[in-house]
Amino acid sequence: DAGITQSPRHKVTETGTPVTLRCHQTENHRYMYWYRQDPGHGLRLIHYSYGVKDTDKGEVSDGYSVSRSKTEDFLLTLESATSSQTSVYFCAISELPKETQYFGPGTRLLVL
Amino acid sequence: AQKVTQAQTEISVVEKEDVTLDCVYETRDTTYYLFWYKQPPSGELVFLIRRNSFDEQNEISGRYSWNFQKSTSSFNFTITASQVVDSAVYFCALSEAWYGGSQGNLIFGKGTKLSVKP
Repeated sequence: DAGITQSPRHKVTETGTPVTLRCHQTENHRYMYWYRQDPGHGLRLIHYSYGVKDTDKGEVSDGYSVSRSKTEDFLLTLESATSSQTSVYFCAISELPKETQYFGPGTRLLVL
Repeated sequence: AQKVTQAQTEISVVEKEDVTLDCVYETRDTTYYLFWYKQPPSGELVFLIRRNSFDEQNEISGRYSWNFQKSTSSFNFTITASQVVDSAVYFCALSEAWYGGSQGNLIFGKGTKLSVKP
C-alpha cells in the first residue's frame, strides 16, 4: 500500500470556521490531489499540486485553498466552512500525471 | 468534454453469479487512460486496474476481467463467481494525457454499488 495518511480522519465544525486538512505521503511522489466525494457525484477534483509550491485549481475549487511547502505534505484549507462543504475528502498521489493515483483513507468532514 | 458514465447505480446478485459493471466514456483525446477502483464499505479507495488507450487487450486477474472496446468507448468490468467480499461501490475513471492543463486528474463516474448476497 502507498504510504498516504490523512489527518484528521473525522472532524465536526461549525459554519464560518476555518478548517485545514492534511495529507502526508512517504512515497516522494511529485503529484498530489485533493478530491471530494459526495453522494450522486462520485469524486471531483478540488485542487492538485505538481511540485513544491506549484498548485492549480480543479473542477470544484471555490471556497478552498491549498498549500504545498514540502514534497510530502499537501494541505487543504476551507477558509470559512459552509454546510455545502460537508463531504468526504480524499487525497491522492501519483508519480507522473498519467500514472495510477493512489488514495489516502479519507477525511469525513461535517459542517454544522 | 470528458465524461464517464456508469449507468448502473445499484446491482444486486446472489453469490456465485457473474456480474458485469458497465462503463462508457467520452474524450477528445487520442491518448488517455482508464481505471477501475473499488470502494468497500470501510470507505477506502482501492486501485484495481489501469489501461491505456493503445492497449485494447482484455485483461483477466483471477475472478476479475476487463473488456476494453474503443469502438464503443466502453471499459466494462466482469466479476466471475461473485463473493460477498465483492460487495462495494466500483468506480470507473478516465485520465487524459496533458489535455487543457489538467495534469492527469481523474474524471470519475458516479459509481455502481454492487451487493452480493449469500
